[in-house]
Amino acid sequence: DGGITQSPKYLFRKEGQNVTLSCEQNLNHDAMYWYRQDPGQGLRLIYYSQIVNDFQKGDIAEGYSVSREKKESFPLTVTSAQKNPTAFYLCASSIIPDSPNNYGYTFGSGTRLTVV
Amino acid sequence: AQTVTQSQPEMSVQEAETVTLSCTYDTSENNYYLFWYKQPPSRQMILVIRQEAYKQQNATENRFSVNFQKAAKSFSLKISDSQLGDTAMYFCASATDSWGKFQFGAGTQVVVTP
Repeated sequence: DGGITQSPKYLFRKEGQNVTLSCEQNLNHDAMYWYRQDPGQGLRLIYYSQIVNDFQKGDIAEGYSVSREKKESFPLTVTSAQKNPTAFYLCASSIIPDSPNNYGYTFGSGTRLTVV
Repeated sequence: AQTVTQSQPEMSVQEAETVTLSCTYDTSENNYYLFWYKQPPSRQMILVIRQEAYKQQNATENRFSVNFQKAAKSFSLKISDSQLGDTAMYFCASATDSWGKFQFGAGTQVVVTP
């Protein structure tokens, strides 16, 4: 079955460490996204990518980095510069239709990151 | 810039009853897309229903329907015949392009009781 796989499900980070969250999709979607979810704040966009080797900052990109070396993969690195990284992280993907339409995102199951 | 507002942090409904979740948005675009997503306790985000702003007819998906009032910039979700499995956080979202940034509301927690 096609879908988006995020790993790990739970991740613990020590202060000052960089950690990388994995996101892989086999839906042949062009666009991929990373969102951060905090209680009471909905989802906030970190980074997004339309094509391989290209990506754009979202609303809260500081302290995060991404790469898009393959269409299927869009890993997110949470760096030590991110001051409050404890959150739930969601990866999503979408097709880019030829006609003006928007079919919405397909989401992964998320990664819960906790700083210890 | 788009903004999406969900003014109801939590709502409770009994099984088989109907509940309506409110959502208002603000955009200067003429064409845009609106969505409702469901996030159950598993935290998997699931698309419930979508609406294109240029369509007058309200979207429906089984027990889920929307009331889209373009002039008022309102996009409410009605859940009919509520089931225990409907217990979840519901997010309203908007997008102005065929891909790219979504703007999400803060969410409404729906609790269905027996």
